[in-house]
Amino acid sequence: AQTVTQSQPEMSVQEAETVTLSCTYDTSESDYYLFWYKQPPSRQMILVIRQEAYKQQNATENRFSVNFQKAAKSFSLKISDSQLGDAAMYFCAYADYGGSQGNLIFGKGTKLSVKP
Amino acid sequence: DAGVIQSPRHEVTEMGQEVTLRCKPISGHDYLFWYRQTMMRGLELLIYFNNNVPIDDSGMPEDRFSAKMPNASFSTLKIQPSEPRDSAVYFCASSLDRKQETQYFGPGTRLLVL
Repeated sequence: AQTVTQSQPEMSVQEAETVTLSCTYDTSESDYYLFWYKQPPSRQMILVIRQEAYKQQNATENRFSVNFQKAAKSFSLKISDSQLGDAAMYFCAYADYGGSQGNLIFGKGTKLSVKP
Repeated sequence: DAGVIQSPRHEVTEMGQEVTLRCKPISGHDYLFWYRQTMMRGLELLIYFNNNVPIDDSGMPEDRFSAKMPNASFSTLKIQPSEPRDSAVYFCASSLDRKQETQYFGPGTRLLVL
C-alpha cells in the first residue's frame, strides 16, 4: 500500500527566510501525482502546489517550489521569503488513480510557525 | 465560483442522535470525496462518488455511516446513531476530472458528539 511520511512534526522559520519541508512516499506505481496542501487555523485545505511524476521539471508557484526526486521517492516543499501568512499545517499527499483508487493519501502534516 | 460549500460549519450533538452533513461541490465537477480528519488518524477518505455514483466506500467506518449523492450538486454524509468517537472535522472535496487529480476542499464541518 502507498504511504506518505512527513518526518518533521513542527518547523519554525524567521520571516523573510527560506524553509524546506520534507516528504517521502512509498509506491510501486510509475504514474502518480504529488501535492502539498496548506491548512491554516481556519481549517480550510488549500492546494499549494502539485507535481506530476512523469514531469522531470520541478513545479513552482510563486514563492513555493518543490524538489522532486523520483528515484529517492522524495518530494520536499521550499518556501522562500516566508511570510506570517504562511504559518499553517502543511500536508504532503499522493495519488495514483490506478484501478479503483480515487483518493489522496496524506502524510501526518508539518506545523510551520513563522517568527516576525 | 463559490468553491465547495459545506454545512453546517459546526455541529454539537449528543450521543445517539442522528447527524447529517451537507456538501455542494463545485459546479461541473464529476468527483466528490468525503474525508475525516482527527488528531489520531489524520486525514482519511471515507467515500467518493463519480457522477453521483458511489465508487469506493471502503473507508466508511461502519454501518452507522452512510452517504448519498442524489444529484450533481448535493451530497450528504449521515451518522446514525452518533458516538463520541465520531468527533472530528469532516471535509468534502470535489475534482473536475480524475486525470486532473486536483481536489478542491470545502471549509469542513467540525463535529462534536457529547
